[in-house]
Amino acid sequence: GDSVTQMEGPVTLSEEAFLTINCTYTATGYPSLFWYVQYPGEGLQLLLKATKADDKGSNKGFEATYRKETTSFHLEKGSVQVSDSAVYFCALTPTQGGSEKLVFGKGTKLTVNP
Amino acid sequence: DVKVTQSSRYLVKRTGEKVFLECVQDMDHENMFWYRQDPGLGLRLIYFSYDVKMKEKGDIPEGYSVSREKKERFSLILESASTNQTSMYLCASIQTGTGAQVQYFGAGTRLSVL
Repeated sequence: GDSVTQMEGPVTLSEEAFLTINCTYTATGYPSLFWYVQYPGEGLQLLLKATKADDKGSNKGFEATYRKETTSFHLEKGSVQVSDSAVYFCALTPTQGGSEKLVFGKGTKLTVNP
Repeated sequence: DVKVTQSSRYLVKRTGEKVFLECVQDMDHENMFWYRQDPGLGLRLIYFSYDVKMKEKGDIPEGYSVSREKKERFSLILESASTNQTSMYLCASIQTGTGAQVQYFGAGTRLSVL
């Protein structure tokens, strides 16, 4: 079945450091890929998404590129802030419509220190 | 603004009690989901519903049931709560259709079963 593997945390960085969180997937067909973020005490919210190969999703300084050849969707940010401290989830949904179920990775907790 | 509301942020129940977790969305979405979130395991799908009175089992339905009598409301029921059901429960909804649809999440209910 479909699955998502993301790097295990926790990740601790200093403010203004470069961030990469690795995510790879296994899926049939052409899934859509997502990064969701969960700030402390809140539910998940969409950070960015990409629907086809070579698409780049971006939001709030974060970027991820859909790489079909390596089945990857790594999250990057050039300069993190304390306010980026959160748990980040990589996810996919199968190409075909229907239930629109999401398959999630296990999450990566990021802590950014001042 | 899109809104998914879970009735309680925190609940404490005793073993053997029947527990109801309520979720309401105001977006006229067809599909609704219940997940549980545990450290190191990410989000796991318990049940989902793609229409009123329709439901399908997710990956971990044992010990749970659901009810969807109205389109906007999706309830998760723990028939006889057990300590291993202590967890964070997240509700989400999505509109069906083509393209990379975004799931919208509630803030979560942290359930403790003593």
